[in-house]
Amino acid sequence: AQSVTQLDSQVPVFEEAPVELRCNYSSSVSVYLFWYVQYPNQGLQLLLKYLSGSTLVKGINGFEAEFNKSQTSFHLRKPSVHISDTAEYFCAVKGWHSSASKIIFGSGTRLSIRP
Amino acid sequence: DTAVSQTPKYLVTQMGNDKSIKCEQNLGHDTMYWYKQDSKKFLKIMFSYNNKELIINETVPNRFSPKSPDKAHLNLHINSLELGDSAVYFCASRSPAQETQYFGPGTRLLVL
Repeated sequence: AQSVTQLDSQVPVFEEAPVELRCNYSSSVSVYLFWYVQYPNQGLQLLLKYLSGSTLVKGINGFEAEFNKSQTSFHLRKPSVHISDTAEYFCAVKGWHSSASKIIFGSGTRLSIRP
Repeated sequence: DTAVSQTPKYLVTQMGNDKSIKCEQNLGHDTMYWYKQDSKKFLKIMFSYNNKELIINETVPNRFSPKSPDKAHLNLHINSLELGDSAVYFCASRSPAQETQYFGPGTRLLVL
């Protein structure tokens, strides 16, 4: 079984400052990792994903994440945030072996941008 | 062109009533899901169908019954609604090639 821990429930950041949203996972098998974003009153949309290959993954809107197998982490970063980045961010994990295609979501981190 | 659509967007109803939420995807995906998001934004999978066949059935009260008339549709029927059913319900479909789930806009259910 897999699990995901998002260490921060809320992260307040000033506009144009860098941000890191932390995510750690637990799994006994190899995994796929994801970050999804949920803007207010909307559904989730994929920000980026790690399936294989390079451990540094670039996504939409200037976000990137690094898969660190030894630390079982997949932290999300952006060098300079905008007001429009205000949203809820979800880290998620799926086991390679999961034929039922079940994704486990973390509890979410609310990113609030201050002008 | 909306990829995953849900109706209704809002649903306000009394305890004890029966209601349905509809979901349609035009992406050609075989796999669809229902998720429940509570007031703390916690997202929990409820059901998954692959090509009209139930493949994931989490610990959900049997008052909840999914139905998939074809692989483009996955509806959710809820009997005898309770206060605790108030939440946002999301439908999603999955692209196996991309390992990506595409979410609908959500249905906000409020049980009074």
